[in-house]
Amino acid sequence: QQQVKQSPQSLIVQKGGISIINCAYENTAFDYFPWYQQFPGKGPALLIAIRPDVSEKKEGRFTISFNKSAKQFSLHIMDSQPGDSATYFCAASNSNYQLIWGAGTKLIIKP
Amino acid sequence: DAGVIQSPRHEVTEMGQEVTLRCKPISGHDYLFWYRQTMMRGLELLIYFNNNVPIDDSGMPEDRFSAKMPNASFSTLKIQPSEPRDSAVYFCASSFGGSGRLEQYFGPGTRLTVT
Repeated sequence: QQQVKQSPQSLIVQKGGISIINCAYENTAFDYFPWYQQFPGKGPALLIAIRPDVSEKKEGRFTISFNKSAKQFSLHIMDSQPGDSATYFCAASNSNYQLIWGAGTKLIIKP
Repeated sequence: DAGVIQSPRHEVTEMGQEVTLRCKPISGHDYLFWYRQTMMRGLELLIYFNNNVPIDDSGMPEDRFSAKMPNASFSTLKIQPSEPRDSAVYFCASSFGGSGRLEQYFGPGTRLTVT
């Protein structure tokens, strides 16, 4: 019940296209859902996060869509750029300051 | 701010040797996390501290692993004796619980290779 399932494992998108990564969870006590971005040789860095009181949050080209009833949330990257090529992790927390992490998605944006 | 500082950045050691990884969290942060990242197992939480006190060490794989946080500015992760299967990238992260935000700031990681 503590798991966060992330898909796909890898994703190739053409430049300018929309990248979509999905995550699902079971624990209804989770109340914080961040997405982290990791470049090779670097640590993960927070990209965008959402609380379950809203269904969508947008920051620039990055949008989180949240479906509380389905216990799913997704990251959408609009107008994907080669610089977006990285590994993306979703995570969830129930406010005990510990994050439960998805397995990661390796995103490649083809020029 | 310099961010989370980890040392060394790379460590190559022989099986059976003791390895010590070091972390300096962001000043003012009261939570510190140690993670291990591998291709096979992804990102695993090993242990985390709050105000220098270990809160959850259930992720520590074996008794060969130990972690300490003697003060708010410094933490160590020790592996003794090291084994080839310990080869991974070890990350330290810190966060500030008082803001109500759960954002974790990661260091650059230590790439450990045990031969």
